[in-house]
Amino acid sequence: KQEVTQIPAALSVPEGENLVLNCSFTDSAIYNLQWFRQDPGKGLTSLLLIQSSQREQTSGRLNASLDKSSGRSTLYIAASQPGDSATYLCAVMDTGNQFYFGTGTSLTVIP
Amino acid sequence: EPEVTQTPSHQVTQMGQEVILRCVPISNHLYFYWYRQILGQKVEFLVSFYNNEISEKSEIFDDQFSVERPDGSNFTLKIRSTKLEDSAMYFCASSRSLIGLNEKLFFGSGTQLSVL
Repeated sequence: KQEVTQIPAALSVPEGENLVLNCSFTDSAIYNLQWFRQDPGKGLTSLLLIQSSQREQTSGRLNASLDKSSGRSTLYIAASQPGDSATYLCAVMDTGNQFYFGTGTSLTVIP
Repeated sequence: EPEVTQTPSHQVTQMGQEVILRCVPISNHLYFYWYRQILGQKVEFLVSFYNNEISEKSEIFDDQFSVERPDGSNFTLKIRSTKLEDSAMYFCASSRSLIGLNEKLFFGSGTQLSVL
C-alpha cells in the first residue's frame, strides 16, 4: 500500500523567503502527483499536478518537481507571502482511481 | 469559477442515527468521490462513483456507508448508523474524467460531522 510522508510537519518563515516542502512516497509506480493547499475550515485547493512522465510543473511562484525513481517530490515557493500560510498536502495516485495523501506541512509566513 | 458545493458545513448527530451528507459536483464532471479526514490524520479515500455506480471503494467504506446520485446534480453519502469514530471532515470531490488520465481533482469545503 502506498505510504506518503511529508517533511517538515510545520515550517515558519519570514516573508520574502524562498522555501521547499518535501514529499516522499513508497511505491514509485504512480500515475501522477498533486499538491494541494488546505486552509483552516476549508476544502483542498489543487495547486499543481505532475504527470508521471514529467519532471516539474510551474505555476506563478510555485514549482513542483518529481523524481519518480527515488519516490520524491518537492514544492518550491518563491518569495513567500503571508497569504501563503496554509497546510500543503501532497497526494499520489497509483494504480487505482484514488489519491493517497500525506499528513501535510503547516506553513506560516511571518510578515 | 465553478466549484463543488457541500451541505451542511457542520452536522451533529447522536450515535446510531443516520446522516446524509450532500454534495453538488461541478456540472460537467463525470467522476465523483468522497474522502474524509479525521482530526489530525491524513485525508483518506472512501469511494469513487461513475455512471451511477461505485467504481472503487476503500476498506473504510463498509456496509454502513452508501452513495447515491438521486438526480442530475446531487451526490450524497449516507451513513446508516453512525459511530463515534465516524466523526471527521467529509470531503466531496469531482473530476471531468479519470484522475488516472491526469485530471485535477476539485474538492468541496467539507462537512464536519460530529457524532456524540
